[in-house]
Amino acid sequence: DTAVSQTPKYLVTQMGNDKSIKCEQNLGHDTMYWYKQDSKKFLKIMFSYNNKELIINETVPNRFSPKSPDKAHLNLHINSLELGDSAVYFCASSVTSGGAYEQYFGPGTRLTVT
Amino acid sequence: SQKIEQNSEALNIQEGKTATLTCNYTNYSPAYLQWYRQDPGRGPVFLLLIRENEKEKRKERLKVTFDTTLKQSLFHITASQPADSATYLCARGVETGRRALTFGSGTRLQVQP
Repeated sequence: DTAVSQTPKYLVTQMGNDKSIKCEQNLGHDTMYWYKQDSKKFLKIMFSYNNKELIINETVPNRFSPKSPDKAHLNLHINSLELGDSAVYFCASSVTSGGAYEQYFGPGTRLTVT
Repeated sequence: SQKIEQNSEALNIQEGKTATLTCNYTNYSPAYLQWYRQDPGRGPVFLLLIRENEKEKRKERLKVTFDTTLKQSLFHITASQPADSATYLCARGVETGRRALTFGSGTRLQVQP
């Protein structure tokens, strides 16, 4: 059974378009995240949601808008795509008990903006 | 800001040897450090977590240490195998209670048969 799934796995689009990436977790976790991994392989937090409530919003252009319809889903919508948005986007989830949050990552969505 | 540094971009070792990867952090000690494995084209996979008050943690052939004096964590893989070849990421909490991680840039381990 897939724990954290993302769709699509690959996304190729042109500058200026709007696109969405979907994420679902079946682990029963109450916190979900979006990370961006750039060409240098740095993995950087973008957003974090706990029980559908936004708790972290790092310095991300407001063209990026996360949406959490329920605890098991966290989608990422990107408006007016730019070349610099090309990266791999990872969704993750975690439990919140115990004070330490090991995270479970999805397979990633490779976004290429041309 | 709290940083995580993995100074070795790549490490090549012979099968059977022990691989040792280094993770350094800045400013105050995090409550815990985490280690992940990432294979090409895949998401990171959690391996081990070590808390600030723990000196050492083991899981099968893996061992992690946490030295608050040196501000450093070491990650060891004993009796390494070619299947251990991957990128290993060290991570710390962004801030207490904020539930997200700051990752290092990773060390790419290559185990030669």
